[in-house]
Amino acid sequence: DTGVSQNPRHKITKRGQNVTFRCDPISEHNRLYWYRQTLGQGPEFLTYFQNEAQLEKSRLLSDRFSAERPKGSFSTLEIQRTEQGDSAMYLCAFNSGRASSGNTIYFGEGSWLTVV
Amino acid sequence: DQQVKQNSPSLSVQEGRISILNCDYTNSMFDYFLWYKKYPAEGPTFLISISSIKDKNEDGRFTVFLNKSAKHLSLHIVPSQPGDSAVYFCAAITQIYNQGGKLIFGQGTELSVKP
Repeated sequence: DTGVSQNPRHKITKRGQNVTFRCDPISEHNRLYWYRQTLGQGPEFLTYFQNEAQLEKSRLLSDRFSAERPKGSFSTLEIQRTEQGDSAMYLCAFNSGRASSGNTIYFGEGSWLTVV
Repeated sequence: DQQVKQNSPSLSVQEGRISILNCDYTNSMFDYFLWYKKYPAEGPTFLISISSIKDKNEDGRFTVFLNKSAKHLSLHIVPSQPGDSAVYFCAAITQIYNQGGKLIFGQGTELSVKP
């Protein structure tokens, strides 16, 4: 149980197309994060939400990327006009909210994007 | 600017022996460190963490050591098992300034435990 469900798990798209990934928390999480991981690298922070408010965005999040979290529940990450460099695993994550866990982030299973 | 570095891209260990994975960091403001394990096509799984006020944290076969003066941490796995074969990432955060959970990750070390 990763705490979040991500869909689709795999997506192959042609360059220039738009794609959308969805993250559904299994239980209620105030904070929800998006990370990206490319081959040979560690995950990189993209953005995070406190309930429905998007509080921080990385410089990696170009204007082709947009994330939303309506009503503070599920979240979507949309990539417009995809480029081959967008090929990566997109990870949704959450903070347990337990004081004992500090800032431990728990990741979902990820959504693989391949842009051809 | 790589603030968290894992200089060994791979490590091979015999089953039953100790695995030692290393991680160096440059930002002295980091005060919380985590290790994650990742299998192919899956998201990272949290393993163990350590606060900068400690120098050791142990959980079963996994122990993390922190040397703040050297800005170095290591993960020890004893005894190593074939199921431990995966990519291991260390991550760091400055809790005061990053209440949003913006972890900084290293590049990962691929551990292979041979039977």
